[in-house]
Amino acid sequence: GQNIDQPTEMTATEGAIVQINCTYQTSGFNGLFWYQQHAGEAPTFLSYNVLDGLEEKGRFSSFLSRSKGYSYLLLKELQMKDSASYLCAVRARDSGGGADGLTFGKGTHLIIQP
Amino acid sequence: DTGVSQDPRHKITKRGQNVTFRCDPISEHNRLYWYRQTLGQGPEFLTYFQNEAQLEKSRLLSDRFSAERPKGSFSTLEIQRTEQGDSAMYLCASSVSRDLPYNEQFFGPGTRLTVL
Repeated sequence: GQNIDQPTEMTATEGAIVQINCTYQTSGFNGLFWYQQHAGEAPTFLSYNVLDGLEEKGRFSSFLSRSKGYSYLLLKELQMKDSASYLCAVRARDSGGGADGLTFGKGTHLIIQP
Repeated sequence: DTGVSQDPRHKITKRGQNVTFRCDPISEHNRLYWYRQTLGQGPEFLTYFQNEAQLEKSRLLSDRFSAERPKGSFSTLEIQRTEQGDSAMYLCASSVSRDLPYNEQFFGPGTRLTVL
């Protein structure tokens, strides 16, 4: 089966930088996604990595190392609205859901303090 | 609004009752997924459709759960003889199958089920 680990909760300060780590074990890896989920709302797509390296999109960047089964999401210039859960999700052969099926981690609850 | 919609947004029921939830995907999306999310957990995959065909249902939580997508557009998820452990957020997502590196899943707002 699959195993996806990420910290349960993190706290950071407005204007600062925070890195949320995700480690995974899976077979047939075919991509890693990060989603943001505000309380009571739907998850929204942030980033996708399938090759090793860094993908940058505005204030958010995501990194992947397939050999280490490791990814991180980097958030810069933190804003209060960034307070949310951040879900790491792996697309793999045994994810279920066909070619685009995802297995999600439990999510990291990020608290931004003034 | 052309996003994924779900109805109802909240459902409170008594144990033993049947409930049905509806999901309307983004109009051109041919794939539709159902997930369950409990407090403090990530979404858990239940089943998915490509057009009207249910291609995977082995991860439905029990035989009390069933899903349909009769015309390849909207989908329903039914839970029969609800139990308190069924209390959760039920999320629907849709995607379109294109020849791209990835096909993003777009999520609806969810239906929050409370079983008393």
